[in-house]
Amino acid sequence: QVQLVQSGAEVKKPGASMKVSCKASGYTFTGYYMYWVRQAPGQGLEWLGWINPNSGDTNYAQKFQDWVTLTRDTSISTAYMELSRLKSDDTAVYYCARAYTVTNPHFDYWGQGTLVTVSS
Amino acid sequence: QSALTQPPSASGSPGQSVTISCTGTSSDVGGYNYVSWYQQHPGKAPKLMIYEVSKRPSGVPDRFSGSKSGNTASLTVSGLQAEDEADYYCTSYAGSNSVLFGGGTKLTVL
Repeated sequence: QVQLVQSGAEVKKPGASMKVSCKASGYTFTGYYMYWVRQAPGQGLEWLGWINPNSGDTNYAQKFQDWVTLTRDTSISTAYMELSRLKSDDTAVYYCARAYTVTNPHFDYWGQGTLVTVSS
Repeated sequence: QSALTQPPSASGSPGQSVTISCTGTSSDVGGYNYVSWYQQHPGKAPKLMIYEVSKRPSGVPDRFSGSKSGNTASLTVSGLQAEDEADYYCTSYAGSNSVLFGGGTKLTVL
């Protein structure tokens, strides 16, 4: 069965960077785009960007263009999301989610979420 | 790009129907039939309930239905059940390979 398993919770200091992983199984990793979405405590969902695991092409939401980096390692079917220059309002649950296309983006499988807490 | 507009809350009694709206613009909701809806229970990841405005994934009860008129999409939950109490989010393709989320609606089953 399809599974997206994310890395564990992290606590980071302001100004640091963090990297969350999302390991895919049960399907062809390179056949689906991987999106990253975050949810601040008590808030709604916010799109960060996507990566095409086949080509490595990426697209970022305008707000995150200069401080989010999406990568992947096809040999281990894992996608990564790195966020730099962390601030306290980056405290959120970060999700990966797969989509078959980027022009009709709907997310049929999600990771379990990774809580990132930014605190001094 | 601004988030899609959803009412913060909605409610209904068991057995009733509730409709949640999702308003965008002609550049997103109104311009494409690529609206999807997600259900999120506390502490859980979102779950896809509706895609392409009105299609249901396998396993989603037919009590959930979607529609669109102009720049506004809607999710209707018929025959409300206690387990339908959750947050609901809409999304839409917004051109240039981007996606927009709605702010979310908390559905309460009275």
